[in-house]
Amino acid sequence: QSVLTQPPSVSAAPGQKVTISCSGSSSNIGNNYVSWYHQLPGTAPKLLIYDNNKRPSGIPDRFSGSKSGTSATLGITGLQTGDEADYYCGTWDSSLSAVVFGGGTKLTVL
Amino acid sequence: QVQLVESGGGVVQPGRSLRLSCAASGFTFSSYAIHWVRQAPGKGLEWVAVISYIGSNKYYADSVKGRFTISRDNSKNTLFLQMNSLRAEDTAVYYCAKENEPEAGRSEIDYWGQGTLVTVSS
Repeated sequence: QSVLTQPPSVSAAPGQKVTISCSGSSSNIGNNYVSWYHQLPGTAPKLLIYDNNKRPSGIPDRFSGSKSGTSATLGITGLQTGDEADYYCGTWDSSLSAVVFGGGTKLTVL
Repeated sequence: QVQLVESGGGVVQPGRSLRLSCAASGFTFSSYAIHWVRQAPGKGLEWVAVISYIGSNKYYADSVKGRFTISRDNSKNTLFLQMNSLRAEDTAVYYCAKENEPEAGRSEIDYWGQGTLVTVSS
């Protein structure tokens, strides 16, 4: 059971928009920055969003992040088949003194 | 460019020990906290441990506390994970991952290695 809660899967058609939610508590999302990672099959995770809503260089602006209270959301617009991957949210948990991740969300682009 | 290369994985019997290494390059290793994160086959990411830039602070997941030890050699740009009393549930790909700050928990994990597979089986 992950400390952060994500939907197991989401799907949408190419060109459409999808959002992935990440729910936590005051000890993690509520008081720390959230990051998002994507993981293509058979590869290592890669940073997608940091500090709730910032994109590293090279990440297109189709990807966006937001946070409100103890929840965070990843948004992806203009879906492409290459976006099919597992997506994870992560943050520091101040009570556990640990990094916590969501259970991951599998994105399918139909 | 930042590179993190893990090694030391393999097949080990339950109760035995294994030591993983992570060789870093492309950045000032001694200036950043470094993590170990693992992923069991077909499962999600599970954080294992983190060590601060000079090794003064270390934090562990409850699942490995007392069995695993994280350490670093800044003179050799290398991170280690000593794993003792291994269990079947420790079977996973182990990634080393760089945090974007010297101390743990202050920033995002911005780079990941390619991982090394540890299989605990008799």
